Amino acid sequence: GNSVTQMEGPVTLSEEAFLTINCTYTATGYPSLFWYVQYPGEGLQLLLKATKADDKGSNKGFEATYRKETTSFHLEKGSVQVSDSAVYFCSFTRGNMLTFGGGTRLMVKP
Amino acid sequence: GAVVSQHPSWVICKSGTSVKIECRSLDFQATTMFWYRQFPKQSLMLMATSNEGSKATYEQGVEKDKFLINHASLTLSTLTVTSAHPEDSSFYICSARVRLAAEQFFGPGTRLTVL
Repeated sequence: GNSVTQMEGPVTLSEEAFLTINCTYTATGYPSLFWYVQYPGEGLQLLLKATKADDKGSNKGFEATYRKETTSFHLEKGSVQVSDSAVYFCSFTRGNMLTFGGGTRLMVKP
Repeated sequence: GAVVSQHPSWVICKSGTSVKIECRSLDFQATTMFWYRQFPKQSLMLMATSNEGSKATYEQGVEKDKFLINHASLTLSTLTVTSAHPEDSSFYICSARVRLAAEQFFGPGTRLTVL
């Protein structure tokens, strides 16, 4: 069935370190892919998206490329900040349904 | 654009009472709204999907008589937790989607604590 697998956290990095959060999905056809971010005590915010193969979504220094051949959508950022500390959810949508990964908690230390 | 609000943001109630949570799309018309539940340090669990003017579609295991969903207009959906019990304490998040759009826009969430 449809599912999203993302690396378990927490991921702890020092400020200005490089970030990668791996995400792979299982779905039929060509889903749209998303990364959402959730700051403490808040709802989810759309971080970036990609709607077709080889598309690169980017926002606030974060990037992710839709890789159809490996069914992956890994999130990267070249230099993280303390303010990036949050939980990141990889997800995809097919029709009405949005399927989420389990979330990866990122903690950035000064 | 694409702002979704929820009210209240935090509610504490006694066991046995009913609580209504509102979800509004502020600057767009949402043909479909979704209700999720999130337990601490876990991912979101879809509870139900509602289309404006029609009955909500509930996910397996979600009691439709306990979690009443109404989507009376293109900008408002409500979730009523009836006869709430401590195990209903959770973070409830709604989202909204425009017809044919891929992404959902999420509200800030409502934290329900049942004593």
